[in-house]
Amino acid sequence: EIVLTQSPATLSLSPGERATLSCRASQSVGSYLAWLQQKTGQAPRLLIYDASNRATGIPARFSGSGSGTDFTLTISSLEPEDFAVYFCQQRYNSYTFGQGTKLELK
Amino acid sequence: EVQLVESGGGLVQPGRSLRLSCTASGFTFDDYAMHWVRQAPGKGLEWVSGISWNSGSIRYADSVKGRFTISRDNAKNSLYLQMNSLRAEDMALYYCAKDSNLVVGTVPGVLDHWGQGTLVTVSS
Repeated sequence: EIVLTQSPATLSLSPGERATLSCRASQSVGSYLAWLQQKTGQAPRLLIYDASNRATGIPARFSGSGSGTDFTLTISSLEPEDFAVYFCQQRYNSYTFGQGTKLELK
Repeated sequence: EVQLVESGGGLVQPGRSLRLSCTASGFTFDDYAMHWVRQAPGKGLEWVSGISWNSGSIRYADSVKGRFTISRDNAKNSLYLQMNSLRAEDMALYYCAKDSNLVVGTVPGVLDHWGQGTLVTVSS
């Protein structure tokens, strides 16, 4: 099983700041890495797929990068609605998910 | 707009059975594979099972193989998960998710839309 490790576990920032979230895979997943956003009581929402492609309707302030084992989700300028939990997920071999990064208001 | 609405969750005793349903709208259901993913309380996400558009390819996580059965009825735009011999570790919020692909292949598709989930509680 491919293990995804996210860091940090919690990130405390203010609106307008830049957020950088990391995801490391235990083995290469190529570019088959997605990022999901989950707000309390809501369904997960796909933000980025295949490392760097924004899903339909996702604002341009969200961007993804990386390949192989190291990936990054960047939110260029935080909006109030961006404070949530973010998961990375690979589809190179079945599906596995990271444990999540909680982006909280500072 | 794609909508996925799960139902059928509830409180069940260990060893008993439960059947979850997911009703889809806003897209051509039989053009896509579908999946179940679960999230235990306070834990991360775990893929459970996936089914191709025509039920021709079905896959399960090792943790549920032999106990859970995924199925679909394209005429009813519905996905199902029959869960037998339930254990405490099966307690979770179960999500229905749409695949970007037709089939559950060697490289799975993107899970591009998710439902709100239905809660399964396993307790005596």
